[in-house]
Amino acid sequence: NAGVTQTPKFQVLKTGQSMTLQCAQDMNHNSMYWYRQDPGMGLRLIYYSASEGTTDKGEVPNGYNVSRLNKREFSLRLESAAPSQTSVYFCANTTGTAKNIQYFGAGTRLSVL
Amino acid sequence: RKEVEQDPGPFNVPEGATVAFNCTYSNSASQSFFWYRQDCRKEPKLLMSVYSSGNEDGRFTAQLNRASQYISLLIRDSKLSDSATYLCVVNQKNYGQNFVFGPGTRLSVLP
Repeated sequence: NAGVTQTPKFQVLKTGQSMTLQCAQDMNHNSMYWYRQDPGMGLRLIYYSASEGTTDKGEVPNGYNVSRLNKREFSLRLESAAPSQTSVYFCANTTGTAKNIQYFGAGTRLSVL
Repeated sequence: RKEVEQDPGPFNVPEGATVAFNCTYSNSASQSFFWYRQDCRKEPKLLMSVYSSGNEDGRFTAQLNRASQYISLLIRDSKLSDSATYLCVVNQKNYGQNFVFGPGTRLSVLP
């Protein structure tokens, strides 16, 4: 039972390159999230998905796209990476109950040169 | 004003000390409250939920004051293993698409 799994763990991109960050859960939770974490700023929501086939913008969606084709997977795509997107990215899900506990993946450390 | 603010830290305390972290939130419609712990270069993990009546889990006590929009975390008898960053998290909807994270307060427990 891995919980929430993210790949890759590390990535270095050149400005303008594209890539997709993968996230998969084996917890059968409806809601999934993508955050970025920058020093001194806490986690900021990029996109979330309340259920399979639905996605909504969070606080900082510009420069990103997401895809929730099934309940298990939620991917984040950078179409044209910029140095400002250098960050640590976390995928998470939530129980969807009143307790609303979030479970996080181990993170992807992305550097854009 | 940030939606969730925390003590800036870092806090450096000796083993065995009692340490308290404070958090304030700006949205009075917030529904659920949590403390998460994040170790260096790791993902956040739930430490404890925070209930209106206050709640305790071993050496950890969380308090919520809705009128003042204030949350606290008290750690008694600090251990070296408590060294981490503590994140205050507020959920503005019951079935949560809007978790707001504070910037975190870093704690170092020294031998």
